[in-house]
Amino acid sequence: NAGVMQNPRHLVRRRGQEARLRCSPMKGHSHVYWYRQLPEEGLKFMVYLQKENIIDESGMPKERFSAEFPKEGPSILRIQQVVRGDSAAYFCASSLRDEQYFGPGTRLTVT
Amino acid sequence: EDKVVQSPLSLVVHEGDTVTLNCSYEVTNFRSLLWYKQEKKAPTFLFMLTSSGIEKKSGRLSSILDKKELFSILNITATQTGDSAVYLCAAQGGSEKLVFGKGMKLTVNP
Repeated sequence: NAGVMQNPRHLVRRRGQEARLRCSPMKGHSHVYWYRQLPEEGLKFMVYLQKENIIDESGMPKERFSAEFPKEGPSILRIQQVVRGDSAAYFCASSLRDEQYFGPGTRLTVT
Repeated sequence: EDKVVQSPLSLVVHEGDTVTLNCSYEVTNFRSLLWYKQEKKAPTFLFMLTSSGIEKKSGRLSSILDKKELFSILNITATQTGDSAVYLCAAQGGSEKLVFGKGMKLTVNP
C-alpha cells in the first residue's frame, strides 16, 4: 500500500518562474492538505481540498498561490512568479478521517 | 489565534535515557492532538489522542493527553540513536487543519 507520493522531491526555479508541485494521496483517501515548512519553523497549514473542491484555503497567500484536486489525477499546488521567500519544503498530507499521513515533501529553492 | 507550543525545543541525551516531550495547545473547538516523528523527510504518524487520561503506547513510546490543562506529553524510554529526530506536536480544532508546534529536536548519543 503506497503512501502519499509527492513529486518532484526537489525543484529549483528562478525568480518569476512558475512552480508546480504534485501530490497523490494514499489509496482510498479523499482529503488532501498542503503545508509549508520554512527553515526553523513548524509546518503551517495552507489549504484543504477534497475531490474537485477547495474546503479551506485560509492559509494560502492571497496572490500567486493556487491549489486544485481534480476528479482524476494528483492534487497540484501552483505558485506563480516565484520569489526567494517561497523557498521552503512543501508537504502534502492525506486522510480518510482524522489521521493525516504525510508525503516526503517537495523542497523548492528559488534562485 | 490557535497555537501549539512545544518544550524543550532541543534535547541531547545518551542512549538508554528516558525523555519526556511537552506540548501545550490553545485551539478553538479542540478535537485531537497528534504526534509525528520527522527525520529527513516525511513526518511519520505516531499517535492521535482525543480523550483525557488514556495512555497510548507503541513499543518504547507512549503519550497521554490532559484536556483540562491543555497539554500532552510524549515519553520515550530506553532511547536509541534511531530515536534521533524532530518530534512534532499538532492540534486539530473545529476545522480539519492541523496547527503545529515548532518541533523538538532530539539527539540521542551512543
